[in-house]
Amino acid sequence: EVQLMESGGGLVQPGGSQRLSCEASGFTFSTHVMHWVRQAPGKGLEFVSAISSDGDKTYYAESVKGRFTISRDNSKNTLHLQMGSLRPEDMAVYYCARVGPLSNSWSWYFDLWGRGTLVTVSS
Amino acid sequence: DIVMTQSPDSLAVSLGERATINCKSSESILYKSSNQNCLGWYQQKPGQPPKLLIYWASTREAGVPDRFSGSGSGTDFTLTISSLQAEDVATYYCHQYFDTPTFGQGTKVEIK
Repeated sequence: EVQLMESGGGLVQPGGSQRLSCEASGFTFSTHVMHWVRQAPGKGLEFVSAISSDGDKTYYAESVKGRFTISRDNSKNTLHLQMGSLRPEDMAVYYCARVGPLSNSWSWYFDLWGRGTLVTVSS
Repeated sequence: DIVMTQSPDSLAVSLGERATINCKSSESILYKSSNQNCLGWYQQKPGQPPKLLIYWASTREAGVPDRFSGSGSGTDFTLTISSLQAEDVATYYCHQYFDTPTFGQGTKVEIK
């Protein structure tokens, strides 16, 4: 089955760190650009970060630049998001998302989403 | 960043009637080399991830019912549900991928 499965969410104190993972299955992970998109409780969708298929290029929203690091391990079909200096406004469900086929840009439509993992930032 | 503005924020439509959602971008998202608009539409039901409905402004994703259609070009786009079904109750988001991705604020569709 083609799917993405996030893990690693939980409760973290302001200023703390958290590492999210996204395991891909059922498709050739190494050929797709991947993104993290988040959704604060009751709010809309927000781009967080993206990574090229080979991992050489990374992209970040201004709101997380310098605090978050995206990476991937194509040998393990896994995407990661290392989050640091967490703030209350980072609290959200974090989704990993696959860009659609034949993409010739890092910014593309998303044809597959995981179910998300909730990150709660609170003391 | 390109700002995406949807209207209305919510709408209530009778079963079998048409629902229309508008999305306006702060600048053109037309990819001139291919003459395609970098615009997608997603459906999100409570507790679920978004689901792709439409890409390139008007191309329906495989398996999406044909009552869903997308139109528009440049800066103005529309998602139409031609005959609302109970299972279409959800929040709908537009998304531009011309530049750094941004989303509209969402439109909640309910049954009247």
